[in-house]
Amino acid sequence: DQQVKQNSPSLSVQEGRISILNCDYTNSMFDYFLWYKKYPAEGPTFLISISSIKDKNEDGRFTVFLNKSAKHLSLHIVPSQPGDSAVYFCAAILGGSNYKLTFGKGTLLTVNP
Amino acid sequence: EAQVTQNPRYLITVTGKKLTVTCSQNMNHEYMSWYRQDPGLGLRQIYYSMNVEVTDKGDVPEGYKVSRKEKRNFPLILESPSPNQTSLYFCASSLWRGLSANTEAFFGQGTRLTVV
Repeated sequence: DQQVKQNSPSLSVQEGRISILNCDYTNSMFDYFLWYKKYPAEGPTFLISISSIKDKNEDGRFTVFLNKSAKHLSLHIVPSQPGDSAVYFCAAILGGSNYKLTFGKGTLLTVNP
Repeated sequence: EAQVTQNPRYLITVTGKKLTVTCSQNMNHEYMSWYRQDPGLGLRQIYYSMNVEVTDKGDVPEGYKVSRKEKRNFPLILESPSPNQTSLYFCASSLWRGLSANTEAFFGQGTRLTVV
């Protein structure tokens, strides 16, 4: 049973426009959410996170929104740049003794010049 | 430079030949874990360790062993590798802040393992 879902395997946007990546989760006990970016042949790199007690977190061009009632979060990238082209993973953590990241399957973002 | 280092980056081996993938972090993190990434399945946790001599199973531990004798190292051991363990493996580390999980994990660059 997949607890974190990224339903769009890929997304293509034009440089300068907004990229919106979506993520849904099923476990209401998740209390921390993270976005990771992954280039080929590299490990995932932390991008931005949000606690379940917040509904928005912003860091430069990246903003994450959390809608707890809908069990939905999204990552907005504005403006999108060609260097943003990568696979983006949504991940969630339960509180407790195991700091386990439960990942979605990822969305390949392509930003076209 | 803060980093998580895995070795080797690439490995091709034969079924049944024991192998170890090493992982080392220089950030004095308490928490370390191993994930595997497979097409269509994303990243899944294999084993984790909350501190020295404290390890436990993740979601897909079958066929793997780990040890945590020192804080900085967390090797992944495949005693008898099989073709279904062909995968991309990532080691990760993070600070431990008690039950509050508000911290990010840092990942190594990955080890691509092929078992023939």
